[in-house]
Amino acid sequence: DQQVKQNSPSLSVQEGRISILNCDYTNSMFDYFLWYKKYPAEGPTFLISISSIKDKNEDGRFTVFLNKSAKHLSLHIVPSQPGDSAVYFCAAFSGYSTLTFGKGTMLLVSP
Amino acid sequence: DTAVSQTPKYLVTQMGNDKSIKCEQNLGHDTMYWYKQDSKKFLKIMFSYNNKELIINETVPNRFSPKSPDKAHLNLHINSLELGDSAVYFCASSLHPQGNNSPLHFGNGTRLTVT
Repeated sequence: DQQVKQNSPSLSVQEGRISILNCDYTNSMFDYFLWYKKYPAEGPTFLISISSIKDKNEDGRFTVFLNKSAKHLSLHIVPSQPGDSAVYFCAAFSGYSTLTFGKGTMLLVSP
Repeated sequence: DTAVSQTPKYLVTQMGNDKSIKCEQNLGHDTMYWYKQDSKKFLKIMFSYNNKELIINETVPNRFSPKSPDKAHLNLHINSLELGDSAVYFCASSLHPQGNNSPLHFGNGTRLTVT
């Protein structure tokens, strides 16, 4: 039972353009959402998060949008850089559940 | 000065053997975790310790036994290894048990292959 779904296994974007990574969730109790970034042979690293009381959080080139009614969040990277090429994991939790991860989306940013 | 370090990086062993994976964090965090990333790429929590006390124990076979000698270390011992145990195991830590201001810091993973 996948409570956090990342339906796109991969995404290719040209350098300088916008990357949009999507995530859907089914558990309406989730109230905090995070994005992690993972390079090959390394562990995931925390990127950005958003609480369910907000609909947008921005940190430099990274912005996370949350649409609670649609149970959907997205990560926007503008402008995309080759160093952003990695696997991006969406994750969510609530006071009633442990942190639940999606399967990840591999982003490839080409020069 | 690695924040969360786990050893070994690779582990190849035969079915039925017993093996251990070690993890240490130098971040001064209170909480440590073991996650498993299986062949389908899902990252799933196995255990969590807070100040050496077990606080999360997901549905994991009894063959897996975590041990936390102090809050900077969380080791994972696996008895009677099975083919299905093949996966990448990630250790992680956070300042406090999962919370809004307490993101996880992961180690680089241990790739376990059981033959």
